Amino acid sequence: QVQLQQWGAGLLKTSETLSLTCVVYDGSITDYYWTWVRQSPGKGLEWLGESHHTGRTIYDPSLMSRVMISVDTPSNRFSLRLTSVTAADTAMYYCAGGNGFKWDFWAQGTLVAVSS
Amino acid sequence: QSALTQPASVSGSPGQSITISCTGTSSDIGTYNYVSWFQHYPDKAPQLVLFDVSSRPSGVTTRFSGSKSGNTASLTISGLQAEDEADYYCCSYTTTRTYVFGPPTRVIVL
Repeated sequence: QVQLQQWGAGLLKTSETLSLTCVVYDGSITDYYWTWVRQSPGKGLEWLGESHHTGRTIYDPSLMSRVMISVDTPSNRFSLRLTSVTAADTAMYYCAGGNGFKWDFWAQGTLVAVSS
Repeated sequence: QSALTQPASVSGSPGQSITISCTGTSSDIGTYNYVSWFQHYPDKAPQLVLFDVSSRPSGVTTRFSGSKSGNTASLTISGLQAEDEADYYCCSYTTTRTYVFGPPTRVIVL
């Protein structure tokens, strides 16, 4: 069973860049699609974007100018970068993946707080 | 603001069946059979309980079932148990090749 583990900085200042990484264990990153989801305090889940090792990547339109998801095949990792963060980006961030829309695998989440 | 609509809460007694609706548009649920449902406990990662409207991942109880009619998808939990108390989200693929979640539905076991 594929397992995911994620990490990254948990405290940022306004205008900095959020950077999170997710490593895939017991599976190949080339076999699945990879997604990032977040949950702001007191709110619901929000899809951020998806990427595939072939380069096919798509983002939520509201974040498109600030977000980038990349897949690194040799290291079996994928990453999220979100530039120019504000307090509105404070959230629990999750990496997930699976066959297409079958998001079977989830990491434990990383809480990211943005302060001024 | 979600493009999908779910009730804020649904409640039922142990053993009963409950249904959570998820209403979208012809730009998402109405066009594709790519609707997933996730169960989310506080401080835990979400868990996929249904995909492709009504398919269950391996290991998910058969008490969870799904259906779709027009622009509305539904998740039914039969034989309600205390452990089912959680937030539930629907999620759909859209005509812009993105995904959209509905707001959370809190399931309350009375």
